[in-house]
Amino acid sequence: NAGVMQNPRHLVRRRGQEARLRCSPMKGHSHVYWYRQLPEEGLKFMVYLQKENIIDESGMPKERFSAEFPKEGPSILRIQQVVRGDSAAYFCASSPLGDTGTEAFFGQGTRLTVV
Amino acid sequence: DAKTTQPPSMDCAEGRAANLPCNHSTISGNEYVYWYRQIHSQGPQYIIHGLKNNETNEMASLIITEDRKSSTLILPHATLRDTAVYYCIVRVAGFGNEKLTFGTGTRLTIIP
Repeated sequence: NAGVMQNPRHLVRRRGQEARLRCSPMKGHSHVYWYRQLPEEGLKFMVYLQKENIIDESGMPKERFSAEFPKEGPSILRIQQVVRGDSAAYFCASSPLGDTGTEAFFGQGTRLTVV
Repeated sequence: DAKTTQPPSMDCAEGRAANLPCNHSTISGNEYVYWYRQIHSQGPQYIIHGLKNNETNEMASLIITEDRKSSTLILPHATLRDTAVYYCIVRVAGFGNEKLTFGTGTRLTIIP
């Protein structure tokens, strides 16, 4: 059973370009979460999705950021018109359906560098 | 979710037990205690979680005090590969409440 797969592992974008980060959850997992880790800082929750639904986007910046988890295919975190402050590691996690203290498993992250 | 307090850093000799404390004095009855670690910028790795009973798995043991206001993660025989930042997180377990709120954690260094 493969773990949470994120790609690309490293992404370089020029200011103003778009960044697309992909996350394939573990097999059988229907919940996906995105976190951001700025350099030398802790992980911050961004958004929680289930298939075709955004459940909690309280950590998402109001502009330029969006996320989706379509019925088929990976979850996508999209950052439009990137700025230098978007440079960070973006981690995706997934968990199975459940409500009894399930654990989330993380991918290895995508490191975005904006130049 | 309840706030947690952890020491910023700890050292432990290789081969000894590493005991990482966590205070969560405002924990609610329906909140679990979770431990994750992050090894040098890799993705966080789940270690263990519990509600009120002590728990043990192949990685670690979790000891939760009777009043649930604090807990200790025990790595029984620390190795150099256990050097990481360890995060203690408390959260309500329930549908729609699965997000994790990471604090600053404890940077554990295993000394050869």
